[in-house]
Amino acid sequence: AQSVTQPDIHITVSEGASLELRCNYSYGATPYLFWYVQSPGQGLQLLLKYFSGDTLVQGIKGFEAEFKRSQSSFNLRKPSVHWSDAAEYFCAVGARGNTPLVFGKGTRLSVIA
Amino acid sequence: GAVVSQHPSWVICKSGTSVKIECRSLDFQATTMFWYRQFPKQSLMLMATSNEGSKATYEQGVEKDKFLINHASLTLSTLTVTSAHPEDSSFYICSAPQGVSGNEQFFGPGTRLTVL
Repeated sequence: AQSVTQPDIHITVSEGASLELRCNYSYGATPYLFWYVQSPGQGLQLLLKYFSGDTLVQGIKGFEAEFKRSQSSFNLRKPSVHWSDAAEYFCAVGARGNTPLVFGKGTRLSVIA
Repeated sequence: GAVVSQHPSWVICKSGTSVKIECRSLDFQATTMFWYRQFPKQSLMLMATSNEGSKATYEQGVEKDKFLINHASLTLSTLTVTSAHPEDSSFYICSAPQGVSGNEQFFGPGTRLTVL
């Protein structure tokens, strides 16, 4: 069965510090991987996605993620966090074709001055 | 990118009433749409898959008679919560796949349902 694990429920970082959010997946085939961000009461915004090719993926707002097949991971990183990055982050996995996504439980990011 | 809209963005209703939520793909056709539910401080859970021209398929534990789905056209799917109860209060989000492989998922902004 497909599953996504985000081990960290809540992370607090200082503004300007680097960030890494962890994501591990379990999937039987080549996965399509996504990171979304959600602000309170809002919908999802796609940060980046990985389908194939270069395993280091660049996204919006200065985020990047690296696909590591050997570790079944797709961790999200940002070199310098801004206060506006405080939100809930979801990792998701999907398959080729018109299939739904499976989401992790999310990681809440707090940013302190 | 493609745009998916939802209407209404929020709704408050009395217990026992029915509520209809619309999901539209604005600039592309979607033969398939997905409905998710997100309870407070939780993740998105797939409720059902809406298929144009055929019956929706529901995930285990989701009552098909309570959550009626109609894929009326290639750009519109509706979710009707029948006889809503407070435990149905949640954030409902739809998505539609688009792109060559169908794996570019575009999400609607969500509908906040509060049942009093």
